[in-house]
Amino acid sequence: DIVLTQSPDSLAVSLGERATINCKSSQSLLFNYNNKNYLAWYQQKPGQPPKLLIYWASTRESGVPDRFSGSGSATDFTLTISRLQAADVAVYYCQQYYTRPLTFGGGTKVEIK
Amino acid sequence: QVQLVQSGAEVKKPGASVKVSCKASGYSFTKYDINWVRQAAGQGFEWVGWMNLETGDTEYAQKLQGRVTITRDSSISTVYMEVSSLRSEDTAVYYCARNGMGDYWGQGTLVTVSS
Repeated sequence: DIVLTQSPDSLAVSLGERATINCKSSQSLLFNYNNKNYLAWYQQKPGQPPKLLIYWASTRESGVPDRFSGSGSATDFTLTISRLQAADVAVYYCQQYYTRPLTFGGGTKVEIK
Repeated sequence: QVQLVQSGAEVKKPGASVKVSCKASGYSFTKYDINWVRQAAGQGFEWVGWMNLETGDTEYAQKLQGRVTITRDSSISTVYMEVSSLRSEDTAVYYCARNGMGDYWGQGTLVTVSS
């Protein structure tokens, strides 16, 4: 199974500042046939299902604010929240869909400093 | 609009079975795969299984092999996930999600296994 290791486990950032979350994969998620990275990022708030933010590692889902961005390729990926807002307090997860079983990172809890 | 609506919470005794439904609307049902994922309280996510809704092909997590079955009823755009021989460690919120990238999720179904 592909193991996704997220860091840090938690993060406290001041309002308006940048938050950066990392996700490292045990195997490359880059499919050479279409040059796409099979990695997604989700936001989950208490009592809610995950919300898709980013797919193909860097494509923002429709309706997601542009302060959220994804980058990286192959085994190293990053989710950046450029100007943290109170509404962004949540747990963030990376997930690979390169192969089954689908696997998730352990999550990063983002709080306000 | 696209929606996945799951059945309500269940409380089961160890050894029993549970069947959770996921009704899709707002899109062509067989065009997208469905994955089932579970999340124990305060924990991360664990993939349970997958179905290609066009072909009916399935794949299950090795940990749950033999105890989980995913089926569909295309006439009512509904996917089902059944877990048998329930154990306390199966207590979790179970989600259905469309596509490998999970662009739409059900609201979740809490399954509690307790004697």
